[in-house]
Amino acid sequence: GAVVSQHPSRVICKSGTSVKIECRSLDFQATTMFWYRQFPKQSLMLMATSNEGSKATYEQGVEKDKFLINHASLTLSTLTVTSAHPEDSSFYICSARDPAAVAYNEQFFGPGTRLTVL
Amino acid sequence: GESVGLHLPTLSVQEGDNSIINCAYSNSASDYFIWYKQESGKGPQFIIDIRSNMDKRQGQRVTVLLNKTVKHLSLQIAATQPGDSAVYFCAEKSATNKLIFGTGTLLAVQP
Repeated sequence: GAVVSQHPSRVICKSGTSVKIECRSLDFQATTMFWYRQFPKQSLMLMATSNEGSKATYEQGVEKDKFLINHASLTLSTLTVTSAHPEDSSFYICSARDPAAVAYNEQFFGPGTRLTVL
Repeated sequence: GESVGLHLPTLSVQEGDNSIINCAYSNSASDYFIWYKQESGKGPQFIIDIRSNMDKRQGQRVTVLLNKTVKHLSLQIAATQPGDSAVYFCAEKSATNKLIFGTGTLLAVQP
């Protein structure tokens, strides 16, 4: 099946620094990737939709200048949390859409990245 | 509107019993639904899906039921095992192909 990886799996950073998280589709080309954020004991909330070669589309309430998304290739999307603060500490999960998926289920999830901002 | 989780309901079952996890979805126009399993510290794992033209679908040890009249979805797990312990989320696919996740239910399987 389609595999999506994320790197790093865990990251701890100081307040005010920037952190980059990578999302890769390993065995398919993903024209669309999605970034979610999940706080403890809560659901996944969609942050933005990342389209290869174009600007990301952000959900209401998500600051595009704080969460920079780059989808420069068909297998890689990056999320950069700029000037991170403790309230940005969360579990960040990406998913990638496989346009060749024959089933209705076309979105495949990565393993997530745990960000802790001190 | 979107479902926002502020707490995590818990279902505690004995090993070997059947589990039923419920979910209410928000958009009557949604035509595709998915159940995911999420273990601690991991991403969501696809379990089973159902389209709106069906009211029941079965997989291996799992069954999904869809009641469009009341916008309700359920996941039934037969002969629940300790390895089934996780958080279970339903998700509906919006008209713009985004997934909207439900609040989630923590399934705790007691040995």
